[in-house]
Amino acid sequence: AQTVTQSQPEMSVQEAETVTLSCTYDTSESDYYLFWYKQPPSRQMILVIRQEAYKQQNATENRFSVNFQKAAKSFSLKISDSQLGDAAMYFCAYEYGNKLVFGAGTILRVKS
Amino acid sequence: DTAVSQTPKYLVTQMGNDKSIKCEQNLGHDTMYWYKQDSKKFLKIMFSYNNKELIINETVPNRFSPKSPDKAHLNLHINSLELGDSAVYFCASSPTGLAGGLRYEQFFGPGTRLTVL
Repeated sequence: AQTVTQSQPEMSVQEAETVTLSCTYDTSESDYYLFWYKQPPSRQMILVIRQEAYKQQNATENRFSVNFQKAAKSFSLKISDSQLGDAAMYFCAYEYGNKLVFGAGTILRVKS
Repeated sequence: DTAVSQTPKYLVTQMGNDKSIKCEQNLGHDTMYWYKQDSKKFLKIMFSYNNKELIINETVPNRFSPKSPDKAHLNLHINSLELGDSAVYFCASSPTGLAGGLRYEQFFGPGTRLTVL
């Protein structure tokens, strides 16, 4: 069974600084998809970034980038120039066969 | 012009009651999902429908029954509600297939907070 582990229940970052959220997963599949979703206090789930497993190049979306290490089954999210609006719960997710498996989430607090 | 909508947003009810949560998407997607987020914020898939056919059915009590009258709607009916059913229920939708080699994202509704007293 696929599992996703986020080992950091909570992280803090100073505004304008950089923070990295960790995620590891377990799978026997070779082709799959990985996502980071953000859930602010409004409860809405918002896609931050996605990565296809066969692509070696790390995905980037503006201030958000990932460090995808397929052999290590690691998929960390780096947020640069953190902003107050980045404060939220962040979920790492693995998808195979249209089914998303989520990690337990990391609460990110941004200090001004 | 809400993409994925759920009604109601909040639902408070007594143990033993039967309730329904409705979900509608206007994105033209052919796959819809129900997820449950428990009190510890853990999100888990419950069901998935593709073109009105059930394709994913996780280990969910029989008291939960999804119904998809058409591609744009996926409702969740819960019988004999229990305290442990209290959670936030999210509906989501996505197209099937790939866009430029990347899996389409799943678009989530705003969630329905169900409280069973």
